[in-house]
Amino acid sequence: EAGVVQSPRYKIIEKKQPVAFWCNPISGHNTLYWYRQNLGQGPELLIRYENEEAVDDSQLPKDRFSAERLKGVDSTLKIQPAELGDSAVYLCASSLVASGRAREQFFGPGTRLTVL
Amino acid sequence: GNSVTQMEGPVTLSEEAFLTINCTYTATGYPSLFWYVQYPGEGLQLLLKATKADDKGSNKGFEATYRKETTSFHLEKGSVQVSDSAVYFCALSEGAAGNKLTFGGGTRVLVKP
Repeated sequence: EAGVVQSPRYKIIEKKQPVAFWCNPISGHNTLYWYRQNLGQGPELLIRYENEEAVDDSQLPKDRFSAERLKGVDSTLKIQPAELGDSAVYLCASSLVASGRAREQFFGPGTRLTVL
Repeated sequence: GNSVTQMEGPVTLSEEAFLTINCTYTATGYPSLFWYVQYPGEGLQLLLKATKADDKGSNKGFEATYRKETTSFHLEKGSVQVSDSAVYFCALSEGAAGNKLTFGGGTRVLVKP
């Protein structure tokens, strides 16, 4: 079974430029999560989707960050414009939530973003 | 709000030594508790979990017991190997639908031969 796929794995951009990250979750998983992991810290949730609906985006900086999950499968996270403080690893995870109970979250390898 | 505190690293051990990584949490309800591991160059992987008080999670020789009275979930392994070198994250999840994971800051473990 294929795991969570993310691309690109690495991205280097200059500040004020836009950037986008792509995630393909495990087949059949209805819930998708985007986390940000700053250097030396644990991941922090940015947004959670159940199917196409963003059910928790309280930690997403909406002035510059946006996300979408078309057709309830793949998802894209965008930053425009990027700032120096956005340098981090962006992790995508997916899980199957059924009857109000969630199973394990499976994580992708992440995209390491460096903003110069 | 919820929070997880774990001991800072790096923790450097010799092969076959005993490993303990302390983890305590703060939560408003009754969370599920997890240990995730991140090997060099790889994504986070679930190592073990416990969903209620006094449960013991175990996997690959690692164990952790959900202690509600001390709000702790310490990770232990009796004899570490070089291949256990990684960053270990303690985390909790609260909510009926398995909401977001709240992670600790991670503990880097280095096992020397």
